Amino acid sequence: DADVTQTPRNRITKTGKRIMLECSQTKGHDRMYWYRQDPGLGLQLIYYSFDVKDINKGEISDGYSVSRQAQAKFSLSLESAIPNQTALYFCATSDQTLAGGQDTQYFGPGTRLTVL
Amino acid sequence: GQNIDQPTEMTATEGAIVQINCTYQTSGFNGLFWYQQHAGEAPTFLSYNVLDGLEEKGRFSSFLSRSKGYSYLLLKELQMKDSASYLCAVKADSWGKLQFGAGTQVVVTP
Repeated sequence: DADVTQTPRNRITKTGKRIMLECSQTKGHDRMYWYRQDPGLGLQLIYYSFDVKDINKGEISDGYSVSRQAQAKFSLSLESAIPNQTALYFCATSDQTLAGGQDTQYFGPGTRLTVL
Repeated sequence: GQNIDQPTEMTATEGAIVQINCTYQTSGFNGLFWYQQHAGEAPTFLSYNVLDGLEEKGRFSSFLSRSKGYSYLLLKELQMKDSASYLCAVKADSWGKLQFGAGTQVVVTP
């Protein structure tokens, strides 16, 4: 079974609709992240959470919100979707307790979102 | 600002060696990661460097020079399955956030 899962894997929606992308992990990691990836661009950090009570904005948080429902669950919402939010979205987790502070991030399979 | 540069694309022959360079200018440095990403799939962790020098893992090696803001990923004995995008990422602070380069698409030809 996959350690980091994302649902849905693909979604097509219309401008103005509210969309929620969900991420669950069984790795027991405290830290969770949401990224978007556009063709020719690197992964851009949207939001991150270092524990259930901690939520932080990343580089491109405008138009997005998140909820950390439990250690294992981190959801990303687009309150009113627009076409330039069409992208591949990845959730990632990391474990701050790893020796040496390497804090490697492990990624989910991604959600391909298309906003028409 | 933060800047991480890597070539857009490289082509190499099966069985050959390819070196992917990454240069970075960031406000701080707490480690550099390399990830492999096949088209439409999740990035997967390849290597981590925090001290200067070479780290070897089978066919893949990664090198870091902190004074030069430079790293490279070396792929030896290339196989067709190595055709993928390779992402360089820098942890600029101690909080775990990563800054990613745009990725280098490696095409392996027969």
